Amino acid sequence: DGGITQSPKYLFRKEGQNVTLSCEQNLNHDAMYWYRQDPGQGLRLIYYSQIVNDFQKGDIAEGYSVSREKKESFPLTVTSAQKNPTAFYLCASSSTSGDNEQFFGPGTRLTVL
Amino acid sequence: GENVEQHPSTLSVQEGDSAVIKCTYSDSASNYFPWYKQELGKRPQLIIDIRSNVGEKKDQRIAVTLNKTAKHFSLHITETQPEDSAVYFCAAAWWDAGNMLTFGGGTRLMVKP
Repeated sequence: DGGITQSPKYLFRKEGQNVTLSCEQNLNHDAMYWYRQDPGQGLRLIYYSQIVNDFQKGDIAEGYSVSREKKESFPLTVTSAQKNPTAFYLCASSSTSGDNEQFFGPGTRLTVL
Repeated sequence: GENVEQHPSTLSVQEGDSAVIKCTYSDSASNYFPWYKQELGKRPQLIIDIRSNVGEKKDQRIAVTLNKTAKHFSLHITETQPEDSAVYFCAAAWWDAGNMLTFGGGTRLMVKP
């Protein structure tokens, strides 16, 4: 299961705290994505980036922030402004030419205590 | 934006039977339609995809059909096995727009031995 990694696997946060989820890929992909998955629901796009130093809001960006300083890395910060952050967070990456397949990381399960 | 509806939300079949999952999409510009399988607690993995220039694609026991006029596509699994039990997600994207996938809500498939 190499290629795209996420850490930590489990994360517990107290209310009012910011936390940062890590996502790293060695697939030489230009595009990276963050999704949120709630129980029994599909994947909702939080942020995406198609090139270094550029990123765009997805459908549910409020309360989240990202950076893309390196091609390999796309960290997601869950801020205290996110009212209901308990969820499973998935990072993905893909090429921007040719094959469209998105490769997913193993996910981070965030729980707010 | 794109909206993808997926049905049914749960599907229970007997081992050996066929399973069909259906998705509809709203944006006629979408031209890439992948299907992902997610086992409990694991990352989604691409199982098959189809582009708008073909109407059907098969890979062993899995097939996907696409009706662009009606804006719907379906996943067909034949001779189901217990290891097919998982959550399946359909998605749609306008390839030229940079591969922003919109996911359906998922179908939990249970194959009873």
